[in-house]
Amino acid sequence: EAEVAQSPRYKITEKSQAVAFWCDPISGHATLYWYRQILGQGPELLVQFQDESVVDDSQLPKDRFSAERLKGVDSTLKIQPAELGDSAMYLCASSLVEGYNEQFFGPGTRLTVL
Amino acid sequence: AQSVTQPDIHITVSEGASLELRCNYSYGATPYLFWYVQSPGQGLQLLLKYFSGDTLVQGIKGFEAEFKRSQSSFNLRKPSVHWSDAAEYFCAVVTNRDDKIIFGKGTRLHILP
Repeated sequence: EAEVAQSPRYKITEKSQAVAFWCDPISGHATLYWYRQILGQGPELLVQFQDESVVDDSQLPKDRFSAERLKGVDSTLKIQPAELGDSAMYLCASSLVEGYNEQFFGPGTRLTVL
Repeated sequence: AQSVTQPDIHITVSEGASLELRCNYSYGATPYLFWYVQSPGQGLQLLLKYFSGDTLVQGIKGFEAEFKRSQSSFNLRKPSVHWSDAAEYFCAVVTNRDDKIIFGKGTRLHILP
């Protein structure tokens, strides 16, 4: 069964360092999402891609976060510099087309900033 | 703005007992409604969804949910829980087909042997 892949699964870093997360969506899924899930909360959308284009990044803290999906397939989310408040689970999801269709989630990357 | 409320942060039930997890939404029209489950350290898995039609929706793993427009609710139920159902459950809403999905804060389900 096709799955969304994410790496690393866990990342521990010190504040002010740079971190990067990778996501490989299900093959053929045009839409890709990055979510941040703080402990005890539901996921919140950071950025949405349709193919290689950003559709929504209104909740992305652009002073330190960046995301790209250069060839419209896999994607990278970067934080530079990391802050203590960035500690969270970062989830990637993909769906076949834009607009609401079922989103398939990856296992997430658990980030701890010390 | 639309919102999703899950009033119970934690729920504990005995194995074999029935389960109901509550979800209320705030929106003028009928939204698209979802329940997701998240096992520890894992991503989210869709249990079921409601778009229109029959207000009683069947999902995977023996779960069902009922949409009640008059109460703005979409409660999740299961007649007999198994120890493997211990997880966090998220209700979510999308208010139109192109809008973002908004998640509730989740309900953590604990199962007693």
